[in-house]
Amino acid sequence: QSALTQPASVSGSPGQSITFSCTGTSSDVGTYNLVSWYQHHPGKAPKLIIYEVTQRPSGVSNRFSGSRSGNTASLTISGLQAEDEADYYCCSYAGGSSAIFGGGTKLTVL
Amino acid sequence: EVQLLESGGDLVQPGGSLRLSCAASGFTFRDHAMTWVRQAPGKGLEWVSLIHAAGSGTFYVGSVKGRFTISRDNSKNMVYLQMNSLRVEDTAVYYCAKDRKVTGAGNDFDVWGRGTMVTVSS
Repeated sequence: QSALTQPASVSGSPGQSITFSCTGTSSDVGTYNLVSWYQHHPGKAPKLIIYEVTQRPSGVSNRFSGSRSGNTASLTISGLQAEDEADYYCCSYAGGSSAIFGGGTKLTVL
Repeated sequence: EVQLLESGGDLVQPGGSLRLSCAASGFTFRDHAMTWVRQAPGKGLEWVSLIHAAGSGTFYVGSVKGRFTISRDNSKNMVYLQMNSLRVEDTAVYYCAKDRKVTGAGNDFDVWGRGTMVTVSS
């Protein structure tokens, strides 16, 4: 099973909105409402920022939002801030108590 | 405070074995499935293995099936990953992660440790 497809890098200026894509298949992203997104600052523990496609855990800024269309999920960060610079990973339930991650997108805040 | 702390990472030769441990605290451990996720140097996250809350179900990514074994001790709030027949490509930081939902089984992971490094090299 191949990793979900994410762009390797994106960049944006403070205050801008930026959207990350995550493309899977009808066996994962397209079937299950179980897409999650993680923010990962290198050397630290990954942080859950979106679950079940659109839901935000308590304590996560409402600048982060998720959506899905067909086999592609998206994460949008609005009002980009310097501390948002990190790696972002999508993940989908893939059936049989397994999960599959994307390759990750490195966000650079200019 | 909800916390996961991994240990056991080391430098090991190809073909060798290693056991990783993950100590959980701050939540009802026996209610949650637990997962191991790894990140090879310069690569993305990869789901490796999951164990159901009661330990009754275990699941693996294809590349480790037959070589890795996940287990847990709910009396000690511990989850383990026994890794045998290690390969160079198993080199990675290994993270322990908690399923968010009480009834979850690999849906999403709301608590992560900081990882432990496994290096497989001769």
